[in-house]
Amino acid sequence: GAVVSQHPSWVICKSGTSVKIECRSLDFQATTMFWYRQFPKQSLMLMATSNEGSKATYEQGVEKDKFLINHASLTLSTLTVTSAHPEDSSFYICSARTDRGLNTGELFFGEGSRLTVL
Amino acid sequence: AQKVTQAQTEISVVEKEDVTLDCVYETRDTTYYLFWYKQPPSGELVFLIRRNSFDEQNEISGRYSWNFQKSTSSFNFTITASQVVDSAVYFCALISYNTDKLIFGTGTRLQVFP
Repeated sequence: GAVVSQHPSWVICKSGTSVKIECRSLDFQATTMFWYRQFPKQSLMLMATSNEGSKATYEQGVEKDKFLINHASLTLSTLTVTSAHPEDSSFYICSARTDRGLNTGELFFGEGSRLTVL
Repeated sequence: AQKVTQAQTEISVVEKEDVTLDCVYETRDTTYYLFWYKQPPSGELVFLIRRNSFDEQNEISGRYSWNFQKSTSSFNFTITASQVVDSAVYFCALISYNTDKLIFGTGTRLQVFP
């Protein structure tokens, strides 16, 4: 079955540093990727949608300069949290979809990346 | 606008009890997909089911069953003879063809006690 891999699974960083999270589709071409954020005991909130080769579309309230999303290839999207602060500590999950997935609704999730900012 | 409501925040049952998790959705689109995901403490999302808006047939998979009713905009999930391993947070989600955004409900935390 289709596999989406996120790296790193866990990351701890100091306040003010930038952190990059990778989302890779291992055995399919992901034309669209979604990035979610989940605070403890809360739901998953959509941050942005990225289509390969295009700029990401951010949800209202999500700072695009803080959460940089790049989807430069059909198998890789990255989320960079710039100048991270403790309030950015969260669980970040990506989801990937092929072109066909728009009509079938088929989505594949990564394992998630837990970010802790000290 | 799209919305998914899971009114039950937490449910506790004893093993072997049946339990139903409710999901009510809102969308103006006629073409959409509904999902259920399980999220164990480790955090990864486990896909359980995907159902499109044109298929109202109920589905059974082992101890799991789903009841999709467009008339009430509901997509409820029942676990029969619950087990301790069923303890997790369960999310209902919706994506419509036109908005193309997967929206999650707030989740229901299920605790199954031995």
